[in-house]
Amino acid sequence: DAKTTQPNSMESNEEEPVHLPCNHSTISGTDYIHWYRQLPSQGPEYVIHGLTSNVNNRMASLAIAEDRKSSTLILHRATLRDAAVYYCIPIFGNEKLTFGTGTRLTIIP
Amino acid sequence: KAGVTQTPRYLIKTRGQQVTLSCSPISGHRSVSWYQQTPGQGLQFLFEYFSETQRNKGNFPGRFSGRQFSNSRSEMNVSTLELGDSALYLCASSLDVAPEKLFFGSGTQLSVL
Repeated sequence: DAKTTQPNSMESNEEEPVHLPCNHSTISGTDYIHWYRQLPSQGPEYVIHGLTSNVNNRMASLAIAEDRKSSTLILHRATLRDAAVYYCIPIFGNEKLTFGTGTRLTIIP
Repeated sequence: KAGVTQTPRYLIKTRGQQVTLSCSPISGHRSVSWYQQTPGQGLQFLFEYFSETQRNKGNFPGRFSGRQFSNSRSEMNVSTLELGDSALYLCASSLDVAPEKLFFGSGTQLSVL
């Protein structure tokens, strides 16, 4: 299973962009990169996923390095509601999903 | 469309007892997976079911078991409860197996006294 490395915590000012990095140097060629976040007292929620090219949705953007050994989740304008633990997870199929410890994002008003 | 429903929301048990937790997936979803979350260990994978068959199991003792019914609803059972089993148990459903995106319930908070 691919291993991931994320910073334990990050802070950002409200209404500014946030770049959350993830290193997944052992990722295989068929692993999708998924990002989830967990708000306080809730189950995790899906944010975005991609395979090789950059992806955008209404919540965030995902920038994947050309060698796929790292990726960055981009929140374009952070709000207080974005304060959560963010998990980066390489996923293919038929494997035990490993969430890791994630990055705790604090938004400063 | 209703989300993933887990019952009960909170549960208090004593050591040695057994417990059954229930998960109703989103309608049409055939895959259900279970996770244990504790402050010290984070989110750990328990098992995954697809069409009533267990596809994967995490590194947990045999006291932890589960099953999935023909309507995709799932239950997990923990026998001979230990203090260390106190945790938030989360269920997630998806249309198909990974890498489909997961939809999580709010979890069942189990306290073992």
